[in-house]
Amino acid sequence: GAVVSQHPSWVICKSGTSVKIECRSLDFQATTMFWYRQFPKQSLMLMATSNEGSKATYEQGVEKDKFLINHASLTLSTLTVTSAHPEDSSFYICSARDVQNHQPQHFGDGTRLSIL
Amino acid sequence: QQQVKQSPQSLIVQKGGISIINCAYENTAFDYFPWYQQFPGKGPALLIAIRPDVSEKKEGRFTISFNKSAKQFSLHIMDSQPGDSATYFCAASTSSSYKLIFGSGTRLLVRP
Repeated sequence: GAVVSQHPSWVICKSGTSVKIECRSLDFQATTMFWYRQFPKQSLMLMATSNEGSKATYEQGVEKDKFLINHASLTLSTLTVTSAHPEDSSFYICSARDVQNHQPQHFGDGTRLSIL
Repeated sequence: QQQVKQSPQSLIVQKGGISIINCAYENTAFDYFPWYQQFPGKGPALLIAIRPDVSEKKEGRFTISFNKSAKQFSLHIMDSQPGDSATYFCAASTSSSYKLIFGSGTRLLVRP
């Protein structure tokens, strides 16, 4: 079945550093990828929609200068958390939509980000 | 308008029993209703999904019941097993945006 790979799966870094998370669709092309954030014992909250070759669309309340998204190819989107602080610590999950199918979205296994 | 309400927050079921999780939505533009299963430290995995043109869909032990007039849908897990213990999320989206709006989640524990 369709696979979405996220890297890294876990990252710990110091406050003030920037962290890049990669999301790859391994066996299909994805014109659209989505980035979610999930705090412990909470639901997934959509942060932004990433479209290949164009600017990402951010949800209300999500700082676009804080969370930089690049969707350079049909199989890769990246999320960069800039100048990360402890409050940015969370579980970040991406999903990708197969261009051949309207649904479903295929999810990656997430990246746990811990900012010290 | 975008909210999807899910209940219960947690559920304990004996092995072999039926687990039932309910969701309600407000936006009548939603036309795709998936259920996801998530284990700790993992991303959500699609279980089953339904569109509003049918009232029920069954895949193995999982069944979605859909009530368009009430704007409600539910997940039934038959013959629940300890391996089903996970967090379950309902979601909804439209064909125009494909953005998934998730419910708050239900933590299911199936006792042996």
